[in-house]
Amino acid sequence: SAVISQKPSRDICQRGTSLTIQCQVDSQVTMMFWYRQQPGQSLTLIATANQGSEATYESGFVIDKFPISRPNLTFSTLTVSNMSPEDSSIYLCSAPPGGVEYNEQFFGPGTRLTVL
Amino acid sequence: LAKTTQPISMDSYEGQEVNITCSHNNIATNDYITWYQQFPSQGPRFIIQGYKTKVTNEVASLFIPADRKSSTLSLPRVSLSDTAVYYCLVMIYNQGGKLIFGQGTELSVKP
Repeated sequence: SAVISQKPSRDICQRGTSLTIQCQVDSQVTMMFWYRQQPGQSLTLIATANQGSEATYESGFVIDKFPISRPNLTFSTLTVSNMSPEDSSIYLCSAPPGGVEYNEQFFGPGTRLTVL
Repeated sequence: LAKTTQPISMDSYEGQEVNITCSHNNIATNDYITWYQQFPSQGPRFIIQGYKTKVTNEVASLFIPADRKSSTLSLPRVSLSDTAVYYCLVMIYNQGGKLIFGQGTELSVKP
C-alpha cells in the first residue's frame, strides 16, 4: 500500500493567479498521475508525471496551463496557471505503488480549489 | 479503451446485498475489470479486480460471465458506511497505470 498526501487541502484564489499543488508519496513510485474532479462529476485524467522526463498530457490539457514537476520518485507538483472560475474543482494525485503494471492505485485526499 | 455503462444511482437499505452491474460490450481480450469506491471528500479506493468468473475479497465479490461483456459488483450486507460512488473500469492489466473513469454509480444506503 501507499500513503499519499496533498497540500494544500483547499484554497480560495483570485482569477488570474496561479496555485501549486504538492503531492507526496511515502514510497518510491515510477509514475504519478493528476486528475481533476468537478463537483458531482467523475474524475478526468490531466496528465502522467514521469520522473526524469516531461509529463504526458491528456487531450484537452496543456503544459502552459497545468505545468507539472516530478523532481524525484516520491514527489510531484501540479500548477494551475492563470486561473479562472472554470478551474474550480478538486485536484487529485495518484500512484500505483506496485509499479505501472498494476491497476491498483492509491489516491491522495484531493485539493479543493475555488476560484473567484 | 472499452466504454462502460453503469446505473447512475441505486438505493438500498442496511443489511441488504447490493449488486451493481456494469456493461462493457467492447471489452478486449487483454482487458481486466476493476472497481473503485469513492467516499465523499476522499480520493477513490481500489476495491476489486478480475478477468473472468468470480473473484472475492474481504470487501466485495466480482462476478464476470463467460462472454465478459458485463460484470457485477456484489456488496454483501451493506451498511450506512457503504454509501459512496462506485466506478467500473475496464483496462489492460499492464497498460501503464492510466485510469479512465466513467460516470460511476452513486449508492445510497438508508437505515
